[in-house]
Amino acid sequence: RKEVEQDPGPFNVPEGATVAFNCTYSNSASQSFFWYRQDCRKEPKLLMSVYSSGNEDGRFTAQLNRASQYISLLIRDSKLSDSATYLCVVNRPGGGNKLTFGTGTQLKVEL
Amino acid sequence: DTGVSQNPRHKITKRGQNVTFRCDPISEHNRLYWYRQTLGQGPEFLTYFQNEAQLEKSRLLSDRFSAERPKGSFSTLEIQRTEQGDSAMYLCASSPPGTGTPAFFGQGTRLTVV
Repeated sequence: RKEVEQDPGPFNVPEGATVAFNCTYSNSASQSFFWYRQDCRKEPKLLMSVYSSGNEDGRFTAQLNRASQYISLLIRDSKLSDSATYLCVVNRPGGGNKLTFGTGTQLKVEL
Repeated sequence: DTGVSQNPRHKITKRGQNVTFRCDPISEHNRLYWYRQTLGQGPEFLTYFQNEAQLEKSRLLSDRFSAERPKGSFSTLEIQRTEQGDSAMYLCASSPPGTGTPAFFGQGTRLTVV
């Protein structure tokens, strides 16, 4: 089983739609969680950290369910510019803050 | 520019040649990471430094790969006797001290072995 699993997509949605991505992680000792965004042939960029109580940043909402070991990202009122790959990221326990990435979920927002 | 800087951005090399990449992290970040990414995959961890100490090296890293961070600032990643399977994007990231801090990536070095 992969340490971090995501549905690769692609998710094709119309502009203005709400879309949700889920991610599961295998190591229950993981403590830090993030969503990164990656545009084609570019480096990953931090979108948001994910906190136990859930957190929101504008149109983006992240949730963490430690009991089920999954993380979600909700994008409301999607824009064409949201088209990208969204990477679920979990730290590796044991120190060092090493990050384990999922394979990413591709989002395409269409007119 | 105060972000993570990587050089070169692109490298084309013949199989069997050695290549070296450089990464300059964000200045106040003590942790530095190297990742490799191939098409359709997320970044895979290669190695990690805290200051000048290399604390972990992935099993993905064969003996042909070596990384250094001699003064705890910039880092180099060298690949000896390159193979076609080494073709990938090599990403460097850095993070500040503390638990649970995210990492910030450079633009990467795209290696093509022909």
